[in-house]
Amino acid sequence: LAKTTQPISMDSYEGQEVNITCSHNNIATNDYITWYQQFPSQGPRFIIQGYKTKVTNEVASLFIPADRKSSTLSLPRVSLSDTAVYYCLVVTMEYGNKLVFGAGTILRVKS
Amino acid sequence: DADVTQTPRNRITKTGKRIMLECSQTKGHDRMYWYRQDPGLGLRLIYYSFDVKDINKGEISDGYSVSRQAQAKFSLSLESAIPNQTALYFCATSTRPGQGTHNEQFFGPGTRLTVL
Repeated sequence: LAKTTQPISMDSYEGQEVNITCSHNNIATNDYITWYQQFPSQGPRFIIQGYKTKVTNEVASLFIPADRKSSTLSLPRVSLSDTAVYYCLVVTMEYGNKLVFGAGTILRVKS
Repeated sequence: DADVTQTPRNRITKTGKRIMLECSQTKGHDRMYWYRQDPGLGLRLIYYSFDVKDINKGEISDGYSVSRQAQAKFSLSLESAIPNQTALYFCATSTRPGQGTHNEQFFGPGTRLTVL
């Protein structure tokens, strides 16, 4: 099962772009990289998922290099409401598609 | 209305008491999950069910049991609660592989359980 490593915390200011990098050196061929967001006292919420190259949606972009051993979640022009914990997960079919959460990255956005 | 609901939202109980946490979903998903979250930590999987007749232990199932009463309902029980089961409990649902995003899970609002 691919373990993920991401920074414990990050600080940013409103209007800046935030990039959170995650390493997953043991990712398998059929694994997908997925990011969730969690606000205090709420359940996690799916943000974005990708397999390779770049994926973009209305919330974020996900950059995955060719070797897939790392990924970067990019949040454009963050606001105070983006303050949350961000989890990088590797979804593996070999593990029955179950999610394994690490401690995540605490993002604090300041005014 | 919320797609995944949990009851109760908050519960305080005493050591040794039996307690049940309930989860209901209107998303029509086959798969349901129970997680616990301790302060400053990520979520850990307790039990999961891929359909009504399928129940599986997760990472930390000791001290817990579950019941999948219907496709839409998945209950978590603590037979004899102990203080280190004090945590935030989340229920989640997902579709089968091949449907929609690869195992995107939809979480309920959580139940904050305190065992004294």
